[in-house]
Amino acid sequence: ETGVTQTPRHLVMGMTNKKSLKCEQHLGHNAMYWYKQSAKKPLELMFVYSLEERVENNSVPSRFSPECPNSSHLFLHLHTLQPEDSALYLCASSQELVSGNTIYFGEGSWLTVV
Amino acid sequence: GNSVTQMEGPVTLSEEAFLTINCTYTATGYPSLFWYVQYPGEGLQLLLKATKADDKGSNKGFEATYRKETTSFHLEKGSVQVSDSAVYFCALSEAGANSKLTFGKGITLSVRP
Repeated sequence: ETGVTQTPRHLVMGMTNKKSLKCEQHLGHNAMYWYKQSAKKPLELMFVYSLEERVENNSVPSRFSPECPNSSHLFLHLHTLQPEDSALYLCASSQELVSGNTIYFGEGSWLTVV
Repeated sequence: GNSVTQMEGPVTLSEEAFLTINCTYTATGYPSLFWYVQYPGEGLQLLLKATKADDKGSNKGFEATYRKETTSFHLEKGSVQVSDSAVYFCALSEAGANSKLTFGKGITLSVRP
């Protein structure tokens, strides 16, 4: 149990589907993140939220749409994805959005786009 | 911009061997430095961190020292175990900025019995 829970753990979707990834943190943190982990590439930061406000969008295509309804929950809405979007999507949280704060990761959601 | 460079892998060692995984960084000021570990099928876990020059982070027998003069944060363990087989990531967060991490590419460690 990491304190950051992601569902589903595995997802297969077609290119025309709409699905969502869910993340919940039980740590009382104020900052949450989405990272993408693809084979043979460094982890890529996608979005950063602090106190439910989006503070960073790292040039992510609009087919990925994040939502942060409260400081404990973070969603990643997916629509019209491409096969190259297949990856492990990691949610994470930290106490504050301050350098040096430890970031805690969930176990990830494995996404396959067919 | 910031960057983290890790040695090329994979690395295969026998149990009880000494481990060194190199990590160097490029950043402005004094970043915070981290090592994360990812076991098969799992997410990333913090292994250790150091937030200022000459600090040593340690955990589970692993150590890394923040060396500003060589901009390095090499990970070491005196005697590896089969259970240490995983992917290891070096990362930094920029000084005076927010906590977002810049990661190296990661290196796979396999330990043979």
